[in-house]
Amino acid sequence: AQSVTQPDIHITVSEGASLELRCNYSYGATPYLFWYVQSPGQGLQLLLKYFSGDTLVQGIKGFEAEFKRSQSSFNLRKPSVHWSDAAEYFCAVGVRGNQFYFGTGTSLTVIP
Amino acid sequence: KAGVTQTPRYLIKTRGQQVTLSCSPISGHRSVSWYQQTPGQGLQFLFEYFSETQRNKGNFPGRFSGRQFSNSRSEMNVSTLELGDSALYLCASSGTGLGVVETQYFGPGTRLLVL
Repeated sequence: AQSVTQPDIHITVSEGASLELRCNYSYGATPYLFWYVQSPGQGLQLLLKYFSGDTLVQGIKGFEAEFKRSQSSFNLRKPSVHWSDAAEYFCAVGVRGNQFYFGTGTSLTVIP
Repeated sequence: KAGVTQTPRYLIKTRGQQVTLSCSPISGHRSVSWYQQTPGQGLQFLFEYFSETQRNKGNFPGRFSGRQFSNSRSEMNVSTLELGDSALYLCASSGTGLGVVETQYFGPGTRLLVL
């Protein structure tokens, strides 16, 4: 069965520090992977996606993610965090039929 | 292009009532999916509609239903509301609906509170 695990419920980083959010997936076929961000009371905004090809994908707001098939991982990174990056981050795997399975999310706090 | 819009944004109902939520997809998008988001269960897939037909359904009781109109707009209905139905309901649209998996673009959600 397909599933997504985000091991870190909450992460706190200092502004300007680097960030890595972990995501592991379980899916038997070729994964279609996504990262979304959600600000309080808002919907989900797409940060980036991986369908195939280059395993390092670039997204909006300076985020990138690396797909590692051997580790079933799709970790999100940002070299320098800004206070406006504080939000909830969700990793998702899309399966046939356009159904998405989401992780439980990682809440990011940025301290000055 | 305008994004996905959902109405109403906030709703308060009492147990036993029914509710209808509306979603207008991005212009040209033909697939609409619905998700329920709660603190305890996270984001859960409800169903997906394409060309006015439900193609895929999550593990929710029959009280949750939906439909899609010829202009791709979609509605979801919850009958006999329970306290546990309090949640943020998110609608997402994707392009042609013909790909194996397509990027989904989310609306702002409808916050439903059941008292």
